[in-house]
Amino acid sequence: DGGITQSPKYLFRKEGQNVTLSCEQNLNHDAMYWYRQDPGQGLRLIYYSQIVNDFQKGDIAEGYSVSREKKESFPLTVTSAQKNPTAFYLCASRPIGQNTGELFFGEGSRLTVL
Amino acid sequence: LAKTTQPISMDSYEGQEVNITCSHNNIATNDYITWYQQFPSQGPRFIIQGYKTKVTNEVASLFIPADRKSSTLSLPRVSLSDTAVYYCLVAPTTSGTYKYIFGTGTRLKVLA
Repeated sequence: DGGITQSPKYLFRKEGQNVTLSCEQNLNHDAMYWYRQDPGQGLRLIYYSQIVNDFQKGDIAEGYSVSREKKESFPLTVTSAQKNPTAFYLCASRPIGQNTGELFFGEGSRLTVL
Repeated sequence: LAKTTQPISMDSYEGQEVNITCSHNNIATNDYITWYQQFPSQGPRFIIQGYKTKVTNEVASLFIPADRKSSTLSLPRVSLSDTAVYYCLVAPTTSGTYKYIFGTGTRLKVLA
């Protein structure tokens, strides 16, 4: 089935460690997005990419990095520079040719820093 | 980019119609209005989208006045399973603009 797969679903890390969250889609979508969600809060944009080898910072990019080497993949690295990384991370995608706001989301990855 | 404003929370009873309004005063000419539903620990799910007037699908209706500075999501006869957070998103469609910013959402609680 077509969709967006995020892994791992749950992740624990120690302070000072980098961690990479995977996001893979087989929808042939051009644009991909990473959002962060804290408990009881809305979604905040971290990074987005509209084409391979290109990506843009969102509103809270500090302490995060991404790559877009393949159309299907948009991994997010949470670095040790991110002061409060414990959160729920959501990946989304959409086709660029579709001029509406329909985003397709994955099921999320929950990161806990111990 | 258009900023959206929604009520933080709403309560309703089963069987009632629920209307959630979103304000987006600086919406651009080519922007679309979309709504999402999110359950705890899940990704948001697209509900409905529109540009102007009224749009209806099997789960909701979307009302957009002529000036497009606000929109109202209408959920007919809600049930307990409609308890969720609802987000309004103004989607820029100008070529080269793909930055999608969500608002804080409206937490709907449906009571028995």
